[in-house]
Amino acid sequence: EPEVTQTPSHQVTQMGQEVILRCVPISNHLYFYWYRQILGQKVEFLVSFYNNEISEKSEIFDDQFSVERPDGSNFTLKIRSTKLEDSAMYFCASSEWGNQPQHFGDGTRLSIL
Amino acid sequence: DQQVKQNSPSLSVQEGRISILNCDYTNSMFDYFLWYKKYPAEGPTFLISISSIKDKNEDGRFTVFLNKSAKHLSLHIVPSQPGDSAVYFCAASAAGANSKLTFGKGITLSVRP
Repeated sequence: EPEVTQTPSHQVTQMGQEVILRCVPISNHLYFYWYRQILGQKVEFLVSFYNNEISEKSEIFDDQFSVERPDGSNFTLKIRSTKLEDSAMYFCASSEWGNQPQHFGDGTRLSIL
Repeated sequence: DQQVKQNSPSLSVQEGRISILNCDYTNSMFDYFLWYKKYPAEGPTFLISISSIKDKNEDGRFTVFLNKSAKHLSLHIVPSQPGDSAVYFCAASAAGANSKLTFGKGITLSVRP
C-alpha cells in the first residue's frame, strides 16, 4: 500500500540553525500538509499546500517557516532559525483531494539544543 | 482551543468485548470527521471517517456514529482485539478543499487478553 515517507526520522539541531524536513507524499495525491505534535500536546495543523502554493497556514507558521515542492515528488518544511520551542514531532500528510482522508508519515522528531 | 474534545484519556476493555471511544466537538462548521489510530514511533493511521450527511459508517469491526445535534461522535470496535491497543485520535474538518484537521488529545485504548 502506498505510504507517505519522511526523512530523517530524528534530527538534532543547535538553536538558531536552519533545518529542512523532507517528505515524499503518496504519488497521486494533490494536497499536502504539515502538522506538529509537541510532547504531551495535541497534533496541530501548520500548513496546507496545493497547486504549488500555500492554501492555509496557522498562526504557528510564522516567517521562520517555509514549505516547498522542489520537484515532482518531494515536499519540504524549512525552519530558518530554530528555537527551543520548535522541538516536536513533525508529521507530513497528503490526500488525493481536499476533504478526503489525509494519510500521514511516521514523522520526524526534531530536537533543538 | 478545545474545538475537538476527547475527555477520557484512557480506556481498558477485555478482548472480545466492545470498545466505545467518544469525541465531542464545538465548531458547528465541522462537517467531516475522522478517526486515526497511532502506535508509538509511528504516524497516525487513518481508520474510518464520516460525513455530516450521515449518522453512521461501518467498516468491518469499526463503526462510527455521528450525533450532530449533540455534536458528538463515537467509534465502536467490535470485537476488540489486543492489536487494537493504541492511541485513538478523533479529528474534524470544515467544508472546502485543503481543509485542515483539528485533532482531539487522543485516548489510549488497552485491550486485555
